[in-house]
Amino acid sequence: DAKTTQPPSMDCAEGRAANLPCNHSTISGNEYVYWYRQIHSQGPQYIIHGLKNNETNEMASLIITEDRKSSTLILPHATLRDTAVYYCIGQASGSARQLTFGSGTQLTVLP
Amino acid sequence: GAVVSQHPSWVICKSGTSVKIECRSLDFQATTMFWYRQFPKQSLMLMATSNEGSKATYEQGVEKDKFLINHASLTLSTLTVTSAHPEDSSFYICSARSWTVSPDTQYFGPGTRLTVL
Repeated sequence: DAKTTQPPSMDCAEGRAANLPCNHSTISGNEYVYWYRQIHSQGPQYIIHGLKNNETNEMASLIITEDRKSSTLILPHATLRDTAVYYCIGQASGSARQLTFGSGTQLTVLP
Repeated sequence: GAVVSQHPSWVICKSGTSVKIECRSLDFQATTMFWYRQFPKQSLMLMATSNEGSKATYEQGVEKDKFLINHASLTLSTLTVTSAHPEDSSFYICSARSWTVSPDTQYFGPGTRLTVL
């Protein structure tokens, strides 16, 4: 699985867009970028994933650079409930192997 | 869809006793289930991977005789912590995966907080 690097923490004002970066310079061609988040004392929640095209769903948008060495998760209008640890993970789609979690980014949405 | 439950959500037990944690996939059949452990202020660490009807594969450093995993059906996996000690106190999280669910990824339970006195 690709090694990913994320900033340890970020703050965002409520109602503003939260942009969470992730570097994955060693990602291979068949590896997707997955984003999960973990709210305190809960299990991780799937957010979104993508290969090379930008993706959007009801929770977030994922922007992947053309060289696929980095990506940004965008929460368009952050709320207090979006305060969580966000994990960026690289893995080949369809893999039966486990997701390997790094240290993630602690996002704190401020009122 | 793709809901995973765990029971109990928290448990307190005395040192030396055994504790069983259940993980269920509620609306899909999970071909593979995973058990993770998370200590305070740390990330999730994989303990073992199990496929229905097969023996679990444990990660290095995880004692298989202490952490018994049974994946008896496509919707149920159990983790039994035998002879629990205070250092086993942790947040235990299961996840399930099935190629029949879209998107094809891991779906996590809410976790079980174990406190051993």
